[in-house]
Amino acid sequence: EVQLVESGGGLVKPGGSLRLSCAASGFTFSSYSMNWVRQAPGKGLEWVSSISSSSSYIYFADSVKGRFTISRDNAENSLYLQMNSLRAEDTAVYYCARDQIVGTTGAILANWGQGTLVTVSS
Amino acid sequence: DIQMTQSPSSLSASVGDRITITCQASQDISNYLNWYQQKPGKAPKLLIYDASNLETGVPSRFSGSGSGTDFTFTISSLQPEDIATYYCQQYDGVPRTFGQGTKLGIK
Repeated sequence: EVQLVESGGGLVKPGGSLRLSCAASGFTFSSYSMNWVRQAPGKGLEWVSSISSSSSYIYFADSVKGRFTISRDNAENSLYLQMNSLRAEDTAVYYCARDQIVGTTGAILANWGQGTLVTVSS
Repeated sequence: DIQMTQSPSSLSASVGDRITITCQASQDISNYLNWYQQKPGKAPKLLIYDASNLETGVPSRFSGSGSGTDFTFTISSLQPEDIATYYCQQYDGVPRTFGQGTKLGIK
């Protein structure tokens, strides 16, 4: 069974940094692209970033470009999101999600974690 | 960026009703369109991919159609457990974009 477990969320002041992690199990992590999607309180879904299986292709939403970094450790079956220069508008539940099929990046998000809440407030 | 316009934003229907949600893309996205269901406090769940393909394990009362810029999501007979918010998402271009969501309630 595919399992994705996010961690690392919490309360951070504006301008601060936070690193989210997503621990994956139940599938061959190194074969699949991975993604981060966020949802501000009471709002809709916003795609944040995608990374291909070998980290060759990386994409970001304009809203986080230059502030967020996505990475993965295929030996540790883990996905990361380094978030710097955080703003109040980054407050959201952050989900990691796996692509449905090998070879696509950020295409069909077939499996999702339960999410981790990031709150940016002074 | 490709904009996805979903309608309606909210909908109330009775158990057994047929309901339809539409999603319009700002440009031709072929069939690169998915539909997700999100129940309160839960992660989204993939229902339909590539516009019309039912994800494994999803009940057959859910269906999708369309290509190009205009897409439709249908529940043939609404069940109480279908109360949720539904989102479309395109993956023809980067950034990937979602519709604003349709909140479905029971009358």
